[in-house]
Formats: sequence, C-alpha cells, structure tokens
Amino acid sequence: AQSVAQPEDQVNVAEGNPLTVKCTYSVSGNPYLFWYVQYPNRGLQFLLKYITGDNLVKGSYGFEAEFNKSQTSFHLKKPSALVSDSALYFCAVSGSYNTDKLIFGTGTRLQVFP
Amino acid sequence: DVKVTQSSRYLVKRTGEKVFLECVQDMDHENMFWYRQDPGLGLRLIYFSYDVKMKEKGDIPEGYSVSREKKERFSLILESASTNQTSMYLCATLRTSSYNEQFFGPGTRLTVL
Repeated sequence: AQSVAQPEDQVNVAEGNPLTVKCTYSVSGNPYLFWYVQYPNRGLQFLLKYITGDNLVKGSYGFEAEFNKSQTSFHLKKPSALVSDSALYFCAVSGSYNTDKLIFGTGTRLQVFP
Repeated sequence: DVKVTQSSRYLVKRTGEKVFLECVQDMDHENMFWYRQDPGLGLRLIYFSYDVKMKEKGDIPEGYSVSREKKERFSLILESASTNQTSMYLCATLRTSSYNEQFFGPGTRLTVL
C-alpha cells in the first residue's frame, strides 16, 4: 500500500536561513511525488512535482525538492527562508496510472521567524 | 489556469440537517475528488469520480454521498450531519495530462453544532 510520512509536525527557522521539510514515501513501482502548500484559510496550492529524470526538481517561490530513490525520500528545500513562507506543507505520492489516487502526508507547519 | 470553486467558504449547520457542498470546475477535467482535512490527519479521501454519473468510495465514505450529474459539478452530501463531520472540506480536480497533479478549490469550513 502507498503511504507518505512527514516526520515533523512543525519546523521553525529564522528568516534568511535554509529550510528543509522532510518527506518519505512507500509505493510500489515508480512514484509521482508532489509538494503542496496551504496558506491560512486557503486551499492547497501546487509547488512542485517529480515524475522522472533529474532528481532535483525546482518549483514555485524558490522551492526545490530532491528525489532520493535509495532513501525513498523527497525533502523540500529552500536556500533562504522568508517570513511569507510560513504555511502548512503537504507531501503527496501517487502511482503512475492516472487512476491512482494521491496519498497525502499529515502536513508540516513551517514557521519562519524574522 | 484551472479554476475550482466551492459554494461556501464557511458553513454552520445543526446536527441532523442535510448538507450539500458544491464544487465546480471550469476545465473539462474528468476526475474530481472530495477530501476532508483535519489537524494531524492530513487530507483523507471521501469520494471521487472519473466521469459523469460515476463515483467511487475513497478511504472514509461513511456518512457521505456524492452526485455528479454534469461533468463540471461534483457535490458532496451529508445525509444527516453529525458533530464529528465538523471539518475543512476540499474539492480537487485532476488533469491527467499533468501526471496526476490535482488542482484544489479554496475549501469549505463546515461546523456542525
């Protein structure tokens, strides 16, 4: 069965410092991996995805994620955090068929302090 | 850009009431989904639909039903609302040409008193 784990409920980082939000997954076959962000009282917004190819994926707002097949991880990173990055971040995985469902992690709240 | 709209941002209902949550998308996507979001539990799939008149149960369908009479509209129905259905409800649509990337509506925060 497919699953996603986000081991940290909250990540705190100072503005200007690099940030990492962790995600590990379990899926049979080749995974499609996603990161979404949710600002207060809003729906989820797509940040980036990994389908195939280069293990480093670049997305919106300066975020990037690194796919590591051996460690089954897909950590979200940003070199320099902004206060406006404070939000709830969700990792998600699906199989490669378009009938495969998205399985979401429980979310990690990122708090960036000035 | 895909636009997914939900009929209400905030809704307050009483226990036992029948509740309709509406979702409309404007991009002719076949696949639509209803999730509920609760703190510490992430998003859980309630129902989904691959086409008009078609519906499939997700992981937590109990207490819910859905209707898809037109391609652009997917409704979630709470037949008899209960307090444990107080939650944020999110609708999403899927562009299959974009590798299962889902597009989300703004959400409806439902409170059942």
